[in-house]
Amino acid sequence: EPEVTQTPSHQVTQMGQEVILRCVPISNHLYFYWYRQILGQKVEFLVSFYNNEISEKSEIFDDQFSVERPDGSNFTLKIRSTKLEDSAMYFCASSVRGLEDTQYFGPGTRLTVL
Amino acid sequence: DQQVKQNSPSLSVQEGRISILNCDYTNSMFDYFLWYKKYPAEGPTFLISISSIKDKNEDGRFTVFLNKSAKHLSLHIVPSQPGDSAVYFCAAQRWGALGANDMRFGAGTRLTVKP
Repeated sequence: EPEVTQTPSHQVTQMGQEVILRCVPISNHLYFYWYRQILGQKVEFLVSFYNNEISEKSEIFDDQFSVERPDGSNFTLKIRSTKLEDSAMYFCASSVRGLEDTQYFGPGTRLTVL
Repeated sequence: DQQVKQNSPSLSVQEGRISILNCDYTNSMFDYFLWYKKYPAEGPTFLISISSIKDKNEDGRFTVFLNKSAKHLSLHIVPSQPGDSAVYFCAAQRWGALGANDMRFGAGTRLTVKP
């Protein structure tokens, strides 16, 4: 059964550094998403992406965040200048159709900002 | 390997009746379980959770039951209301020394509550 994969599983970085989190969505899916879960809190929606454009984003997704689909398989989340409060689990998801469709989630990348 | 499974893609119930959403998991290392609700054009929002040390957690109309031996959990909504119509995701997490990791979501069940 196809799965969403994410790399790395754990990323440690210094405050102020740029990080790129990578995701490979399920191959026939057209919509892609990033979510975040700060330790001890619930999963929060960050952004959705379709047809090489952001379609929805939350208040969390400010100018320090960006997403890209650099090739036919990867979907990336870039954090330009990391802050301590960016430490969280980041989940990628994908679906065939939009937000009303079933989303399949990856296992997550744990980001630790020191 | 889909470690969290919601075998019913859709469920339809009458307003005022009980909605029962089911979820099965395969990894016995999961020790925290959550339900999320998602409306169209929005991201999932947290609904209710349960730790593996409990077998029941209740919050208003929502109750989650956990059967660890069967690796099964369910969400009961009583009474169901039309506003409950949404997609419901089951999720499971494993907690380690560094906090939550290995979060897995089910594929979702679309609940329709008819007036």
